[in-house]
Amino acid sequence: EEQLVESGGGLVQPGGSLRLSCAASGFTFSDYWMNWFRQAPGKGLEWVANIKADGSEKHYVESVQGRFAISRDNAKKSLYLQMNSLRAEDTAVYYCASPRGWGKGTLVTVSS
Amino acid sequence: QAVVTQEPSLTVSPGGTVTLTCGSSTGAVTSGHYPFWYQQKPGQAPRTLIYDTTNKNSLTPARFSGSLLGGKAALTLSGAQPEDEADYYCLLSYSGARVFGGGTKLTVL
Repeated sequence: EEQLVESGGGLVQPGGSLRLSCAASGFTFSDYWMNWFRQAPGKGLEWVANIKADGSEKHYVESVQGRFAISRDNAKKSLYLQMNSLRAEDTAVYYCASPRGWGKGTLVTVSS
Repeated sequence: QAVVTQEPSLTVSPGGTVTLTCGSSTGAVTSGHYPFWYQQKPGQAPRTLIYDTTNKNSLTPARFSGSLLGGKAALTLSGAQPEDEADYYCLLSYSGARVFGGGTKLTVL
């Protein structure tokens, strides 16, 4: 059974940094594009970033370009999101997702 | 950035049929947008119902189907059940970037 488990969320001050991780199991992680999505409290879903199966191609939503960096380690079956220069508007539940599965999410709160 | 549009809300009777649509500000939605459909119930993470226009996930009930209809991506629910009441989101691909629609709140009543 495909499983995705996010970690690394928490409370951080504006301007701070966090690194999210996502551990994958139950499917061939190295075969698939992977995504980070987020959902601000009471709002809809937003795509944040994705990365090609071999890590050679990455894309970001404009609002995080230059601040966030997506990466992966196929040997460890893990996906990462390095988030720098965090803003209040980055507050959301962050989800790791494969083409067919989602994690349960990790909450990131940016507040002083 | 493209804007993806969905009906804000729809209502279907139990046992009835409803079609949710997903349009793009850039023109007709095609298979090249690799439409995805997700279901999210209150307090839960989303789950994937449909990927690449028509393909069902292993646990997607047979009553859900995906298609292209009139220049839009479409999710049809045939034989609605009370447990289908949820928010539904479509996701389109634009040369690597992805854009969500605003979501459709489906009420089964």
